Amino acid sequence: QQPVQSPQAVILREGEDAVINCSSSKALYSVHWYRQKHGEAPVFLMILLKGGEQKGHDKISASFNEKKQQSSLYLTASQLSYSGTYFCGTEGSSNTGKLIFGQGTTLQVKP
Amino acid sequence: GAGVSQSPSNKVTEKGKDVELRCDPISGHTALYWYRQSLGQGLEFLIYFQGNSAPDKSGLPSDRFSAERTGGSVSTLTIQRTQQEDSAVYLCASSPWTSGRNEQYFGPGTRLTVT
Repeated sequence: QQPVQSPQAVILREGEDAVINCSSSKALYSVHWYRQKHGEAPVFLMILLKGGEQKGHDKISASFNEKKQQSSLYLTASQLSYSGTYFCGTEGSSNTGKLIFGQGTTLQVKP
Repeated sequence: GAGVSQSPSNKVTEKGKDVELRCDPISGHTALYWYRQSLGQGLEFLIYFQGNSAPDKSGLPSDRFSAERTGGSVSTLTIQRTQQEDSAVYLCASSPWTSGRNEQYFGPGTRLTVT
């Protein structure tokens, strides 16, 4: 089953923060986050493995609550370059490598 | 190093014709994935390979779609008797598959238009 992302779209001013959520109805082995800019291929941001870890990458971080089958992506002090569509990809309870992607969250950062 | 490459970048074909889409993964990556993305939509899983084997073909939309991978490297996605609903961007990704991590690196995609 496809994970559900929320919100579908968000508009920010530079410097503001945003949270994007990803929720699955199935047990998960891992959650991936990717960003896709218009007309380009998705780019890997980070992977979170089951164990409830939290990771960070510059001002972008993420958490994974294995029990709730949820992950959240946190963007702090947003920059214009953060604009794009963010996808979470979920891998089922065993490490098969197959990802099912959410429908995406479009983020627009304005000056 | 070189990233994932795909060819052709654009393909326009007439309904009913067969097409082949090619993917060259990052050297040494053992896993390879095919996705389809329709305009403004998300990523639809099609098939993935571990080495030359395809453990999961469940995402292939119909028996008109097939894929193979040879030498643990190049992969070809073939669509027979194309239909207009096949129009989309076909994305390929590869993964190093180390220590249970399978972060995926995407190619630029092939935009397929069926007229």
